[in-house]
Amino acid sequence: DGGITQSPKYLFRKEGQNVTLSCEQNLNHDAMYWYRQDPGQGLRLIYYSQIVNDFQKGDIAEGYSVSREKKESFPLTVTSAQKNPTAFYLCASGLPYEQYFGPGTRLTVT
Amino acid sequence: DQQVKQNSPSLSVQEGRISILNCDYTNSMFDYFLWYKKYPAEGPTFLISISSIKDKNEDGRFTVFLNKSAKHLSLHIVPSQPGDSAVYFCAAVLRAGGTSYGKLTFGQGTILTVHP
Repeated sequence: DGGITQSPKYLFRKEGQNVTLSCEQNLNHDAMYWYRQDPGQGLRLIYYSQIVNDFQKGDIAEGYSVSREKKESFPLTVTSAQKNPTAFYLCASGLPYEQYFGPGTRLTVT
Repeated sequence: DQQVKQNSPSLSVQEGRISILNCDYTNSMFDYFLWYKKYPAEGPTFLISISSIKDKNEDGRFTVFLNKSAKHLSLHIVPSQPGDSAVYFCAAVLRAGGTSYGKLTFGQGTILTVHP
């Protein structure tokens, strides 16, 4: 089946630790995106990549890093510099006006 | 600067009645608008979209209306069903050129509850 997978579904980390969220797609999409959802704030763009080996900062990139070494994969690292890392993280792929979303990862940092 | 706003955090309707979800935007350069539906702990799924050259798009029970002069769009669901209960996000994008090209801008979402 074609789609986007994110793992794990739930992730718990201690404050001060970096954590990497996985995102894989087999839709053959060039572009991939990372969003963060907080209650009452909708989805905010963290980073996006329009092609392999290239990525751009979104609206809230501080404290995050990404890589795009393969077309299928776009991992997101939440660093210890991110002040409020607890959130629901969503990965998407596709054209900007036709994005398909993964199931999300709930990250809790204590 | 919230360029896309959904001013109603929640909406409650009776099964069989019409649900109307509203969305306002400030950037007149946006030329394509989308509605997504999201269940808790899941990713959003695409529902319906509309280009700025149209004022209405229909797909089954779902209709989106666009009023460019008012910078307002709305999603009508008729008839509403309990399975429609979810969070609905509107989103806007500039498809052609500009520094915002390629970025979907989302509203805050509206929680729709349809009562049996």
